[in-house]
Amino acid sequence: AQSVTQLDSHVSVSEGTPVLLRCNYSSSYSPSLFWYVQHPNKGLQLLLKYTSAATLVKGINGFEAEFKKSETSFHLTKPSAHMSDAAEYFCVVTPTGRRALTFGSGTRLQVQP
Amino acid sequence: NAGVMQNPRHLVRRRGQEARLRCSPMKGHSHVYWYRQLPEEGLKFMVYLQKENIIDESGMPKERFSAEFPKEGPSILRIQQVVRGDSAAYFCASSPGGAQTKNTEAFFGQGTRLTVV
Repeated sequence: AQSVTQLDSHVSVSEGTPVLLRCNYSSSYSPSLFWYVQHPNKGLQLLLKYTSAATLVKGINGFEAEFKKSETSFHLTKPSAHMSDAAEYFCVVTPTGRRALTFGSGTRLQVQP
Repeated sequence: NAGVMQNPRHLVRRRGQEARLRCSPMKGHSHVYWYRQLPEEGLKFMVYLQKENIIDESGMPKERFSAEFPKEGPSILRIQQVVRGDSAAYFCASSPGGAQTKNTEAFFGQGTRLTVV
């Protein structure tokens, strides 16, 4: 069975400082991994996805994530936080060939001025 | 190209009533997925449909919940005899085809927020 664990339910950073949102996964198969962002009362937007072409994945809005198989991690990072980054972030996994996404419980990012 | 459209955005029902949630996938997408998000939780998979077929309903509650995706028109998630515990945000996603694999991005709607009073 596949699952994801988001290690922090809340993360607070100051504007202009780095962001790190942690995610560990477990999967019996070669997984597909995604990060989605959800702004208040909005739908979900795909930030980036791991396609196995490269372990360092670049996404939108300056976010990137590194797939580390040895650590079963897929942490999301951004060098400098912006106020507009405040949102809920979900790490998502699906084993190759399975149809549905399995979501982590989410990390709420707060950005202080 | 309009995104995934869900309506209504907000729905209030009294206990015992029926709730019908609609989802129009993106143009050209023939695969629809429904997810439920309880307060302070992540999204939980409910059901995966193609046109006129239910492919995977392993996440659907056994009673009161049903889903369809007819040949014409939107996908419908139907909840009969709603209870307070059904209050949640229900999200629909669509993809152009195949499984939600690494090469197939799912596009999400803005969700329907159901409140049962």
